[in-house]
Amino acid sequence: EDKVVQSPLSLVVHEGDTVTLNCSYEVTNFRSLLWYKQEKKAPTFLFMLTSSGIEKKSGRLSSILDKKELFSILNITATQTGDSAVYLCAVDTSNTGKLIFGQGTTLQVKP
Amino acid sequence: NAGVMQNPRHLVRRRGQEARLRCSPMKGHSHVYWYRQLPEEGLKFMVYLQKENIIDESGMPKERFSAEFPKEGPSILRIQQVVRGDSAAYFCASSPGTGGTTGELFFGEGSRLTVL
Repeated sequence: EDKVVQSPLSLVVHEGDTVTLNCSYEVTNFRSLLWYKQEKKAPTFLFMLTSSGIEKKSGRLSSILDKKELFSILNITATQTGDSAVYLCAVDTSNTGKLIFGQGTTLQVKP
Repeated sequence: NAGVMQNPRHLVRRRGQEARLRCSPMKGHSHVYWYRQLPEEGLKFMVYLQKENIIDESGMPKERFSAEFPKEGPSILRIQQVVRGDSAAYFCASSPGTGGTTGELFFGEGSRLTVL
């Protein structure tokens, strides 16, 4: 059965800290890996990764994929309280939008 | 450009009643997906629809659940004879779908169903 596992499940840091969120997967047919940020509403898209070793970057957030070891990391530097959210990792196995999501990592950034 | 619109945002039903959740995709999007999020769990795929067609319903429970995306109007997720275990947040997402999706989905804010 296809599976996506995120760690840690929750994390509490202070503003200015750097955090690394992990996502590992076991799927039969990998197409892409996506990261979403979910505050108390709609998940919003962060990154889509398809190739190993190529870092995607957006401001203080960056992500990279390792297709050999079957994992991805999401880094957030100089965290701010507005980064507090649930971060969701998902794998697209069919190119049809049928995503397999991990449980999410709940990040709390304290002032 | 309005995003994915879901209503109602909150719905309370008693056991045995019917729940209808609506989703209007982003303008120009022809593919709609429904996901369910149970407490303390990740999003789980339910169904993928295009206009007037169900493309993949492998995540839908076999009974009581149905979905449609008519030619005109929003997509509807219908749950008949609801039970307490149906209490969850139901998210709709859409994608343009032209030439196959990249996997990037645009989500609505969800409909939270509570079954008493």
